[in-house]
Amino acid sequence: KAGVTQTPRYLIKTRGQQVTLSCSPISGHRSVSWYQQTPGQGLQFLFEYFSETQRNKGNFPGRFSGRQFSNSRSEMNVSTLELGDSALYLCASSSPGSRETQYFGPGTRLLVL
Amino acid sequence: QQQVKQSPQSLIVQKGGISIINCAYENTAFDYFPWYQQFPGKGPALLIAIRPDVSEKKEGRFTISFNKSAKQFSLHIMDSQPGDSATYFCAAFNTGTASKLTFGTGTRLQVTL
Repeated sequence: KAGVTQTPRYLIKTRGQQVTLSCSPISGHRSVSWYQQTPGQGLQFLFEYFSETQRNKGNFPGRFSGRQFSNSRSEMNVSTLELGDSALYLCASSSPGSRETQYFGPGTRLLVL
Repeated sequence: QQQVKQSPQSLIVQKGGISIINCAYENTAFDYFPWYQQFPGKGPALLIAIRPDVSEKKEGRFTISFNKSAKQFSLHIMDSQPGDSATYFCAAFNTGTASKLTFGTGTRLQVTL
């Protein structure tokens, strides 16, 4: 089985712009979670989607949003980028019967200038 | 509030030695405890996981020890190899409600020759 894929792998944006990141889960996995990883804050949960519905949300401002499509692929969007949004954005997928067993993709490295 | 505390922050072990990383949690509702391994430029990879009904789980050179009463768990890497040099994260999950992984702050392991 192919693993979790994320595109793009690297991205450079400027402050005030918006960005969309994409995640394709492992085949058969219907739950997709997003995490932000920074040196200062570590790995922090952004949100989780299951069957096109947001099931849980972390403590991030409304500029961070996401969605899930009927094929379980997910996108996250960050609007009005700030310097502090520079991070590695990780997507993880899990199967319906095992939400806790999460498999991560390689991440998208976002740099905001 | 940091719900999962991890130590040490960094660790240097000689090849063939035992690497030990410790984690402590606060929320007794956590009932799934995975360890992830992350190499530079990669996403975290699930290494091994344990549930509170067992005190120890072993997979190859990797062992998790779990102490429910003390709310602590640890990762032991036996016969550590240079290829084990990576950052290790412990995490905790509440299968009942939370649907998100709560991560420790990470331990950077270096295995020297």
